[in-house]
Amino acid sequence: DIQMTQSPSTLSASVGDRVTITCRASQNIHSWLAWYQQKPGKAPKLLIFKASNLESGVPSRFSGSGSGTEFTLTISSLQPDDSATYYCQQYNSYAYTFGQGTKLEIK
Amino acid sequence: QVQLVESGGAVVQPGRSLRLSCAASGFIFSSYPMHWVRQAPGKGLEWVAGISYLGGSTKSYADSVKGQFTISRDNSKNTLYLQMNNLRPEDTALYYCAREPRTLVRGILQYYGMDVWGQGTTVTVSS
Repeated sequence: DIQMTQSPSTLSASVGDRVTITCRASQNIHSWLAWYQQKPGKAPKLLIFKASNLESGVPSRFSGSGSGTEFTLTISSLQPDDSATYYCQQYNSYAYTFGQGTKLEIK
Repeated sequence: QVQLVESGGAVVQPGRSLRLSCAASGFIFSSYPMHWVRQAPGKGLEWVAGISYLGGSTKSYADSVKGQFTISRDNSKNTLYLQMNNLRPEDTALYYCAREPRTLVRGILQYYGMDVWGQGTTVTVSS
């Protein structure tokens, strides 16, 4: 199975900061990567698909980049509502796998 | 509106079986591959199983549940199922169902991640 490794595991930043989360795949997944946001007690929400495509309705401050084995999720100007845990997920091949998550806290 | 509603979660003893259901509405259920994803208390997301659209001829499982869980679908009832046998304490989790849109663009299959999720149903395995 393809392993997905996210870094950092936790992140604390201030409103207005630019924040980057990294996701590494154990093998080439081309651009078949999604990013999700999950808030406590809620289901995950799709933010980005195919590495860099913004899901409809997601604020433009979120962006994704990368291909192959290295990917990033960037929040250009952090907002209070962005406090959540973020997960990457590869869907290049079964078994689909998620990263372990990055908990983002607002200072 | 587009909606997925899971049900069937319960507290069960180790070794028992349970069947989860996921009722879909607001979209053409048969046209979408579907998945089960679980989240143990305080832990991250774990993909559990997936099934292809239409007849569901292609099924795939995480190694952790292979041979133990079975995913299926009934398109006439717009419902996805997860049959869970020989449950273990480590199967304790919130179980989500999710759909995965795919389209054919200029002859190439495009994938869009899991765009709609249910609210989850809780399975607790404990003696």
